[in-house]
Amino acid sequence: AQSVSQHNHHVILSEAASLELGCNYSYGGTVNLFWYVQYPGQHLQLLLKYFSGDPLVKGIKGFEAEFIKSKFSFNLRKPSVQWSDTAEYFCALGGGSQGNLIFGKGTKLSVKP
Amino acid sequence: NAGVTQTPKFQVLKTGQSMTLQCAQDMNHEYMSWYRQDPGMGLRLIHYSVGAGITDQGEVPNGYNVSRSTTEDFPLRLLSAAPSQTSVYFCASSYSTGGGRSPLHFGNGTRLTVT
Repeated sequence: AQSVSQHNHHVILSEAASLELGCNYSYGGTVNLFWYVQYPGQHLQLLLKYFSGDPLVKGIKGFEAEFIKSKFSFNLRKPSVQWSDTAEYFCALGGGSQGNLIFGKGTKLSVKP
Repeated sequence: NAGVTQTPKFQVLKTGQSMTLQCAQDMNHEYMSWYRQDPGMGLRLIHYSVGAGITDQGEVPNGYNVSRSTTEDFPLRLLSAAPSQTSVYFCASSYSTGGGRSPLHFGNGTRLTVT
């Protein structure tokens, strides 16, 4: 069965700190991987996606993620966070016979100004 | 360009009442889905549809019904509301399947409270 694990429930950082949010998935087939962001009171928006090719993918707002197949991981990174990055971040796995998106439980990021 | 529109934004129900959450998209997306979001649980798939006339169950379908009579609309019905259905509900759509190469577009959500 497919599943997604996000290691951190809540991360608190100061502005300008570097960010890395962990995501591991469980699935033996070809995967599509996504990071979505949910700003307070808003709906989910796509941050970045990986389908194939270069395992380092860049998204919006300076975020990037690295797909490491041997570790079944797709960690999200940002070199220097801003207060406006305060949000909840969801890793998601697509693929499988039904083709639906499976979400992790999310990581809340709080950035202190 | 409206995208995915959900109504209502907020709803309070008493236990046992029924209601329909509306979802409409104007992007001609074949795939539509309903998720519920609960604290610490992420988003869980309730039902989905890969085209008009086709629906299927997701991870947590009990207590909910859906139909897809048109490409644009995908209403979610709560048959007899229970406090366990207190949640934020998101409708989402995409060109192909939800986990395929076209990303999901989300509505703004419906916050439902069942007392």
